[in-house]
Amino acid sequence: KAGVTQTPRYLIKTRGQQVTLSCSPISGHRSVSWYQQTPGQGLQFLFEYFSETQRNKGNFPGRFSGRQFSNSRSEMNVSTLELGDSALYLCASSLVRYGTYEQYFGPGTRLTVT
Amino acid sequence: DQQVKQNSPSLSVQEGRISILNCDYTNSMFDYFLWYKKYPAEGPTFLISISSIKDKNEDGRFTVFLNKSAKHLSLHIVPSQPGDSAVYFCAASVWGQGGSEKLVFGKGTKLTVNP
Repeated sequence: KAGVTQTPRYLIKTRGQQVTLSCSPISGHRSVSWYQQTPGQGLQFLFEYFSETQRNKGNFPGRFSGRQFSNSRSEMNVSTLELGDSALYLCASSLVRYGTYEQYFGPGTRLTVT
Repeated sequence: DQQVKQNSPSLSVQEGRISILNCDYTNSMFDYFLWYKKYPAEGPTFLISISSIKDKNEDGRFTVFLNKSAKHLSLHIVPSQPGDSAVYFCAASVWGQGGSEKLVFGKGTKLTVNP
C-alpha cells in the first residue's frame, strides 16, 4: 500500500507571496492532519480534515488555511508569506476508527521564505 | 503552554547499551501516548504506543512505560543500535474541540548511538 505523498518536496518563495502544498493520504484513510515543524519547536498542529470538513484547528493565524477534497486529498495554503513561515510542513493521514490513534506521515514539504 | 515536554534535546549512548528517552505531560485528559522516530529528510514514523489504562507496552527492543501519577512516560530501547540514531518525538492524544482526537507533540530528543 502506498504511503502518504506530499508535493512539492521543496519550495522557495518570497515574502508576501502565497503557497499551496498538496497531500495525498494512504488509500482508505479519511482523516488528514497538517503540522509545521521548525527547529526548537517540534511539530505544531495546524489543522485536521475529515470528509472535506475541518474538525480541529491549531493556534495559527488565518493566513494558514486548508481544504480536503472528496477523494481525501488535502491542500494547505499560506498567504502573505513571512520569513517565520520557513519550515517543514508535514501531512499525516489516519484511519477514523475507535481505538486507532496512529497517524502516518508523509516526507514533508520544505518551505523556504526569502 | 507546552503540554508535552521532552526536556532532553539530545542523548548519546553506546551501541548495545540501553537508551532511555523521557517525556512529561501536563494534561490529565490525554488518553493515549505514542512515540515517533524521525530521520532527516523523512517524515516521522510510528514506533510504539500505550493506552492511558496501561503502564507498560513492549514491542521487540522497544518498551514504553507510563506513570500516570507522575504524568511521565519513557521509551526504553534495548539493545541500542546505530540505526536507532534519529530524533524521537513523544506525542499524546486528546479529544479536540472539533469532536475528534488530535495529537500533541513534544519538541523531540535527538538520539545518537555510537558504534
